[in-house]
Amino acid sequence: EAQVTQNPRYLITVTGKKLTVTCSQNMNHEYMSWYRQDPGLGLRQIYYSMNVEVTDKGDVPEGYKVSRKEKRNFPLILESPSPNQTSLYFCASSLNNPRRGHEQYFGPGTRLTVT
Amino acid sequence: QQPVQSPQAVILREGEDAVINCSSSKALYSVHWYRQKHGEAPIFLMILLKGGEQKGHDKISASFNEKKQQSSLYLTASQLSYSGTYFCGTGFSSGSARQLTFGSGTQLTVLP
Repeated sequence: EAQVTQNPRYLITVTGKKLTVTCSQNMNHEYMSWYRQDPGLGLRQIYYSMNVEVTDKGDVPEGYKVSRKEKRNFPLILESPSPNQTSLYFCASSLNNPRRGHEQYFGPGTRLTVT
Repeated sequence: QQPVQSPQAVILREGEDAVINCSSSKALYSVHWYRQKHGEAPIFLMILLKGGEQKGHDKISASFNEKKQQSSLYLTASQLSYSGTYFCGTGFSSGSARQLTFGSGTQLTVLP
Protein backbone atom coordinates (compact mmCIF):
# COMPACT_ATOMS: atom_id res chain seq x y z
CA GLU A 1 0.00 0.00 0.00
CA ALA A 2 1.31 3.42 -0.99
CA GLN A 3 1.77 5.47 2.12
CA VAL A 4 3.69 7.97 4.18
CA THR A 5 4.47 6.82 7.71
CA GLN A 6 5.52 8.90 10.69
CA ASN A 7 6.88 7.86 14.06
CA PRO A 8 6.08 8.42 16.79
CA ARG A 9 2.43 9.39 16.44
CA TYR A 10 2.34 10.99 19.88
CA LEU A 11 5.22 12.35 21.91
CA ILE A 12 5.43 14.24 25.18
CA THR A 13 8.89 15.53 26.03
CA VAL A 14 10.65 18.14 28.11
CA THR A 15 12.33 21.36 27.07
CA GLY A 16 15.81 20.84 25.69
CA LYS A 17 15.72 17.10 25.16
CA LYS A 18 16.71 16.36 21.56
CA LEU A 19 14.20 14.39 19.54
CA THR A 20 13.70 13.05 16.04
CA VAL A 21 10.45 12.43 14.23
CA THR A 22 10.88 9.97 11.41
CA CYS A 23 9.10 10.10 8.06
CA SER A 24 9.22 7.42 5.40
CA GLN A 25 7.46 6.99 2.06
CA ASN A 26 7.28 3.95 -0.21
CA MET A 27 6.21 5.69 -3.43
CA ASN A 28 9.68 6.62 -4.72
CA HIS A 29 8.77 10.30 -4.49
CA GLU A 30 11.50 12.86 -5.01
CA TYR A 31 9.83 15.64 -3.05
CA MET A 32 9.23 15.54 0.70
CA SER A 33 8.17 18.22 3.12
CA TRP A 34 7.45 18.89 6.80
CA TYR A 35 4.57 21.03 8.06
CA ARG A 36 3.34 22.07 11.45
CA GLN A 37 -0.31 22.72 12.09
CA ASP A 38 -1.53 25.06 14.81
CA PRO A 39 -5.12 26.22 15.49
CA GLY A 40 -6.03 29.22 13.36
CA LEU A 41 -2.75 29.17 11.45
CA GLY A 42 -3.29 26.31 9.05
CA LEU A 43 -0.35 24.32 7.71
CA ARG A 44 3.01 26.03 7.78
CA GLN A 45 5.94 24.57 5.91
CA ILE A 46 9.07 23.94 7.95
CA TYR A 47 11.50 22.40 5.47
CA TYR A 48 11.24 20.66 2.14
CA SER A 49 13.49 18.50 0.01
CA MET A 50 13.54 18.22 -3.76
CA ASN A 51 15.67 15.06 -3.74
CA VAL A 52 18.43 13.26 -1.86
CA GLU A 53 20.87 15.73 -0.24
CA VAL A 54 18.76 18.70 -1.43
CA THR A 55 16.86 20.53 1.32
CA ASP A 56 15.56 24.06 1.74
CA LYS A 57 13.81 26.18 4.32
CA GLY A 58 10.09 26.71 4.34
CA ASP A 59 8.25 29.46 6.16
CA VAL A 60 9.06 28.46 9.76
CA PRO A 61 12.44 26.63 9.87
CA GLU A 62 13.78 28.09 13.14
CA GLY A 63 14.51 25.44 15.74
CA TYR A 64 14.34 22.52 13.30
CA LYS A 65 16.78 20.51 11.25
CA VAL A 66 16.25 17.96 8.51
CA SER A 67 18.33 15.57 6.47
CA ARG A 68 17.73 13.61 3.28
CA LYS A 69 20.31 10.87 3.04
CA GLU A 70 17.97 8.40 1.40
CA LYS A 71 15.12 9.01 -0.99
CA ARG A 72 12.49 7.35 1.18
CA ASN A 73 13.35 9.01 4.53
CA PHE A 74 13.12 12.60 5.69
CA PRO A 75 13.56 12.90 9.46
CA LEU A 76 12.73 16.07 11.39
CA ILE A 77 15.14 16.88 14.20
CA LEU A 78 14.50 19.19 17.12
CA GLU A 79 17.89 19.74 18.74
CA SER A 80 16.54 21.64 21.76
CA PRO A 81 12.75 21.58 21.80
CA SER A 82 10.86 24.44 23.40
CA PRO A 83 7.19 24.74 24.42
CA ASN A 84 6.40 26.87 21.36
CA GLN A 85 7.18 23.83 19.23
CA THR A 86 4.19 22.03 20.70
CA SER A 87 2.16 21.29 17.59
CA LEU A 88 0.79 18.72 15.18
CA TYR A 89 3.40 17.80 12.59
CA PHE A 90 2.77 16.37 9.14
CA CYS A 91 5.19 14.91 6.68
CA ALA A 92 4.22 14.86 3.00
CA SER A 93 5.68 13.56 -0.24
CA SER A 94 5.01 13.89 -3.95
CA LEU A 95 6.54 13.44 -7.36
CA ASN A 96 8.58 16.41 -8.50
CA ASN A 97 7.42 17.98 -11.71
CA PRO A 98 7.06 21.71 -11.04
CA ARG A 99 5.47 22.47 -14.38
CA ARG A 100 2.74 19.93 -13.89
CA GLY A 101 2.31 20.02 -10.18
CA HIS A 102 1.61 16.91 -8.19
CA GLU A 103 -0.58 16.01 -5.24
CA GLN A 104 1.09 15.69 -1.91
CA TYR A 105 0.47 12.59 0.15
CA PHE A 106 0.39 13.35 3.85
CA GLY A 107 1.43 11.13 6.71
CA PRO A 108 -0.93 10.53 9.67
CA GLY A 109 0.63 13.27 11.79
CA THR A 110 2.71 13.43 14.97
CA ARG A 111 1.31 15.26 17.95
CA LEU A 112 4.20 16.72 19.92
CA THR A 113 3.92 18.29 23.36
CA VAL A 114 6.92 20.02 24.88
CA THR A 115 6.63 20.82 28.58
CA GLN B 1 2.71 35.75 2.16
CA GLN B 2 0.14 33.36 3.57
CA PRO B 3 -2.92 33.34 1.27
CA VAL B 4 -6.16 34.61 2.72
CA GLN B 5 -9.12 32.26 2.72
CA SER B 6 -12.73 33.31 3.02
CA PRO B 7 -15.04 32.62 4.62
CA GLN B 8 -13.36 31.25 7.75
CA ALA B 9 -16.34 29.01 8.41
CA VAL B 10 -19.56 28.08 6.69
CA ILE B 11 -22.53 25.94 7.69
CA LEU B 12 -24.74 24.41 5.02
CA ARG B 13 -27.64 22.06 4.69
CA GLU B 14 -27.19 18.96 2.58
CA GLY B 15 -27.77 19.81 -1.06
CA GLU B 16 -26.75 23.46 -0.79
CA ASP B 17 -23.82 25.02 -2.66
CA ALA B 18 -20.73 26.68 -1.24
CA VAL B 19 -17.82 28.76 -2.53
CA ILE B 20 -14.47 29.07 -0.78
CA ASN B 21 -12.07 31.76 -1.89
CA CYS B 22 -8.29 31.95 -1.71
CA SER B 23 -6.46 35.23 -2.38
CA SER B 24 -2.78 35.99 -2.56
CA SER B 25 -0.87 39.26 -2.40
CA LYS B 26 1.82 37.72 -4.57
CA ALA B 27 1.73 36.47 -8.17
CA LEU B 28 0.77 32.81 -8.23
CA TYR B 29 1.96 29.92 -10.31
CA SER B 30 -0.17 27.21 -8.78
CA VAL B 31 -2.98 26.69 -6.32
CA HIS B 32 -3.50 23.41 -4.48
CA TRP B 33 -6.71 22.48 -2.66
CA TYR B 34 -6.88 19.98 0.21
CA ARG B 35 -9.58 18.82 2.60
CA GLN B 36 -8.88 17.71 6.15
CA LYS B 37 -11.32 15.92 8.41
CA HIS B 38 -10.92 16.26 12.15
CA GLY B 39 -8.02 14.19 13.45
CA GLU B 40 -6.93 13.09 9.99
CA ALA B 41 -4.31 14.05 7.45
CA PRO B 42 -5.13 16.48 4.62
CA ILE B 43 -6.34 14.82 1.44
CA PHE B 44 -5.62 16.20 -2.02
CA LEU B 45 -8.52 17.59 -4.06
CA MET B 46 -6.97 19.32 -7.07
CA ILE B 47 -4.16 21.49 -8.43
CA LEU B 48 -4.61 24.46 -10.75
CA LEU B 49 -1.67 25.85 -12.67
CA LYS B 50 -1.06 29.28 -14.14
CA GLY B 51 -3.16 29.63 -17.26
CA GLY B 52 -6.58 30.24 -15.74
CA GLU B 53 -7.76 26.69 -16.04
CA GLN B 54 -10.73 25.31 -14.25
CA LYS B 55 -10.85 21.81 -12.89
CA GLY B 56 -13.39 19.61 -11.28
CA HIS B 57 -14.40 16.15 -10.37
CA ASP B 58 -17.76 14.97 -9.19
CA LYS B 59 -19.45 18.04 -7.69
CA ILE B 60 -16.31 19.87 -6.61
CA SER B 61 -14.63 22.26 -9.01
CA ALA B 62 -12.20 25.15 -8.83
CA SER B 63 -11.09 28.13 -10.86
CA PHE B 64 -7.85 30.09 -10.91
CA ASN B 65 -7.70 33.73 -11.93
CA GLU B 66 -4.00 34.58 -12.15
CA LYS B 67 -4.65 38.27 -12.85
CA LYS B 68 -6.61 38.62 -9.64
CA GLN B 69 -4.21 36.25 -7.87
CA GLN B 70 -7.06 34.22 -6.52
CA SER B 71 -8.73 30.85 -6.71
CA SER B 72 -12.20 29.68 -5.80
CA LEU B 73 -13.39 26.22 -4.82
CA TYR B 74 -17.00 25.39 -5.70
CA LEU B 75 -18.91 22.67 -3.88
CA THR B 76 -22.20 21.87 -5.56
CA ALA B 77 -25.08 20.05 -3.91
CA SER B 78 -23.08 19.48 -0.72
CA GLN B 79 -23.03 16.06 0.86
CA LEU B 80 -22.44 15.22 4.51
CA SER B 81 -19.05 13.81 3.51
CA TYR B 82 -17.93 17.28 2.37
CA SER B 83 -17.65 18.44 5.98
CA GLY B 84 -14.11 19.30 7.01
CA THR B 85 -11.55 22.05 6.79
CA TYR B 86 -10.49 23.15 3.32
CA PHE B 87 -7.03 24.54 2.73
CA CYS B 88 -5.60 26.26 -0.30
CA GLY B 89 -1.86 26.06 -0.83
CA THR B 90 -0.12 28.52 -3.11
CA GLY B 91 3.01 28.05 -5.15
CA PHE B 92 4.89 31.02 -6.56
CA SER B 93 7.32 29.47 -8.99
CA SER B 94 7.49 26.85 -11.70
CA GLY B 95 11.19 26.40 -11.08
CA SER B 96 12.92 24.00 -8.81
CA ALA B 97 11.69 25.67 -5.65
CA ARG B 98 8.64 23.91 -4.29
CA GLN B 99 7.75 25.99 -1.33
CA LEU B 100 4.04 25.74 -0.69
CA THR B 101 2.25 28.24 1.53
CA PHE B 102 -1.15 27.28 2.93
CA GLY B 103 -4.00 29.47 4.04
CA SER B 104 -5.45 29.16 7.53
CA GLY B 105 -8.37 27.07 6.30
CA THR B 106 -12.14 27.25 5.88
CA GLN B 107 -14.22 25.05 8.15
CA LEU B 108 -17.19 23.63 6.26
CA THR B 109 -20.02 21.92 8.11
CA VAL B 110 -22.79 20.18 6.20
CA LEU B 111 -25.90 19.42 8.22
CA PRO B 112 -28.54 16.84 7.30
